[in-house]
Amino acid sequence: NAGVTQTPKFQVLKTGQSMTLQCAQDMNHNSMYWYRQDPGMGLRLIYYSASEGTTDKGEVPNGYNVSRLNKREFSLRLESAAPSQTSVYFCASSDRTGLTYEQYFGPGTRLTVT
Amino acid sequence: RKEVEQDPGPFNVPEGATVAFNCTYSNSASQSFFWYRQDCRKEPKLLMSVYSSGNEDGRFTAQLNRASQYISLLIRDSKLSDSATYLCVVSGSNYQLIWGAGTKLIIKP
Repeated sequence: NAGVTQTPKFQVLKTGQSMTLQCAQDMNHNSMYWYRQDPGMGLRLIYYSASEGTTDKGEVPNGYNVSRLNKREFSLRLESAAPSQTSVYFCASSDRTGLTYEQYFGPGTRLTVT
Repeated sequence: RKEVEQDPGPFNVPEGATVAFNCTYSNSASQSFFWYRQDCRKEPKLLMSVYSSGNEDGRFTAQLNRASQYISLLIRDSKLSDSATYLCVVSGSNYQLIWGAGTKLIIKP
């Protein structure tokens, strides 16, 4: 049981390049999330998917797009990377039953844009 | 004003001591509250949920004060393995979570 997996673990991009961060969960969760974490700041929500087939913007969606490919997979795409997108990106999933709200996180992708 | 505020620390505490953190939140409509733990360069993991009546899990006690809009976490008999960053998390709208920036705790032998 792998939980939430993310690829790649590390990535260096040049300004203007594009890439897709992959995320998959094997817990049969309905909801999936993409966050970024910058030094001295809390996790900030980029996009989320409450259920398969739906996606919504979070707090900081500009410069990103997402795809909920199926119930298991939720990808994040940077179309034209900028240095301001240097960050650690976490994918998470949750069951959303009751009021548990517990989110399970992947190990993160450390992205540097030069 | 940030929606969730925490003292960034670091709190340097000797092993075996008791340490407490507070966190304040701005949205009075928030219904759910959590403490997550994040080790250096790792993903956050749920430490405990915070209930209105307060709750305890071993050496950890969490309290909620809705009137003053703050949450606290108390760690008794601290261990070296408790060294981490503790994230205060509050529910927002549409099942979203609002995250504090974290309080760094360093337990010294």
